[in-house]
Amino acid sequence: AQSVAQPEDQVNVAEGNPLTVKCTYSVSGNPYLFWYVQYPNRGLQFLLKYITGDNLVKGSYGFEAEFNKSQTSFHLKKPSALVSDSALYFCAVRDIEGSGTYKYIFGTGTRLKVLA
Amino acid sequence: SAVISQKPSRDICQRGTSLTIQCQVDSQVTMMFWYRQQPGQSLTLIATANQGSEATYESGFVIDKFPISRPNLTFSTLTVSNMSPEDSSIYLCSVEWANMNTEAFFGQGTRLTVV
Repeated sequence: AQSVAQPEDQVNVAEGNPLTVKCTYSVSGNPYLFWYVQYPNRGLQFLLKYITGDNLVKGSYGFEAEFNKSQTSFHLKKPSALVSDSALYFCAVRDIEGSGTYKYIFGTGTRLKVLA
Repeated sequence: SAVISQKPSRDICQRGTSLTIQCQVDSQVTMMFWYRQQPGQSLTLIATANQGSEATYESGFVIDKFPISRPNLTFSTLTVSNMSPEDSSIYLCSVEWANMNTEAFFGQGTRLTVV
């Protein structure tokens, strides 16, 4: 079965410093990996995805993620954090079921706090 | 992309009552899903809303408790029936097109408190 793990419940970083939010995955085939962000009292917003191609994926709001097949990781990164980046971040993997349908498996989420 | 309107945004309900949540999309979509997000936790898929047929429920969720309708390709409802305080949660509508490569779009969520 597919699964995704976010080992950190919370990450604190000072404004202007680089940030990393970790995600590891387990899939039986090719991975379809996504990052979403949730601001307070809002639904999830798509940040970026890895389907195939370059291991470094660039997304919204200056975020990027590096796909590492050998380490089965898909860590989210940003070179310089902003206070407005403070939110809840979810890593997700696509799960293909035997019937051909698919759904998301979400990680437990990592709360990012950027300190001014 | 898709713009999703989810109503109500929040509600406080008495135990034993039912609440129906609406999800309206500004374009026709293939897939519509309903999730539950308990306070401080991740998303759990409740069911896939199928147009013109019964929803497909995940393990632990049943139609009697969470009846779902999807009369067309732009609209779905989720009802939380016979509510108890354990049903207090955020309920999210999500839409996708039938393609593994595409991302999902989410409504802003309905924050339900059962007292």
